[in-house]
Amino acid sequence: QKEVEQDPGPLSVPEGAIVSLNCTYSNSAFQYFMWYRQYSRKGPELLMYTYSSGNKEDGRFTAQVDKSSKYISLFIRDSQPSDSATYLCAMNDYKLSFGAGTTVTVRA
Amino acid sequence: DAGVIQSPRHEVTEMGQEVTLRCKPISGHNSLFWYRQTMMRGLELLIYFNNNVPIDDSGMPEDRFSAKMPNASFSTLKIQPSEPRDSAVYFCASSSLRDRAYEQYFGPGTRLTVT
Repeated sequence: QKEVEQDPGPLSVPEGAIVSLNCTYSNSAFQYFMWYRQYSRKGPELLMYTYSSGNKEDGRFTAQVDKSSKYISLFIRDSQPSDSATYLCAMNDYKLSFGAGTTVTVRA
Repeated sequence: DAGVIQSPRHEVTEMGQEVTLRCKPISGHNSLFWYRQTMMRGLELLIYFNNNVPIDDSGMPEDRFSAKMPNASFSTLKIQPSEPRDSAVYFCASSSLRDRAYEQYFGPGTRLTVT
């Protein structure tokens, strides 16, 4: 079993819809929880991070962490075609463990 | 800042040949990571350096792979001999332990094809 599980999708939504992404994990030592965004043929870039449990909002993006359930989520409100990318969850103790990534397409 | 620089961007080689991938981390960053990304296995950490010293190479698939970091501004990943199953995108990333260790800055990657 992988340390981090993420449904690879793909996920296709119309412009303006809410995108919901999630990951589960097994290592209770993880403290930092991150979402990276990767555009086609580019390297991943950090989108958001959360320390321990709770919610964090940044514009149209909201990250949630539930450590009791070992479950993290990313929500994208009012999705735009420019949000089309692969979203990877990641978490760390001393190194990052990545999920498989979910490919999202926002249709105009 | 120019960001993490990787070269070459694309590499096509024949099975059995030696391949060397290069990385220049962001100036001031003291941690460097080499990753491999494939459709089947996703993003896998191969090796991680801290202050030019290899800390964890448990992800290096086999002895054909080796990595060096002779100084703070340069690292190489070498595959010798290369095999078709090594075909993947190889990313280098760097971060600063002084700031946010979880924020890794990735380079554009090297797309390797071994025929």
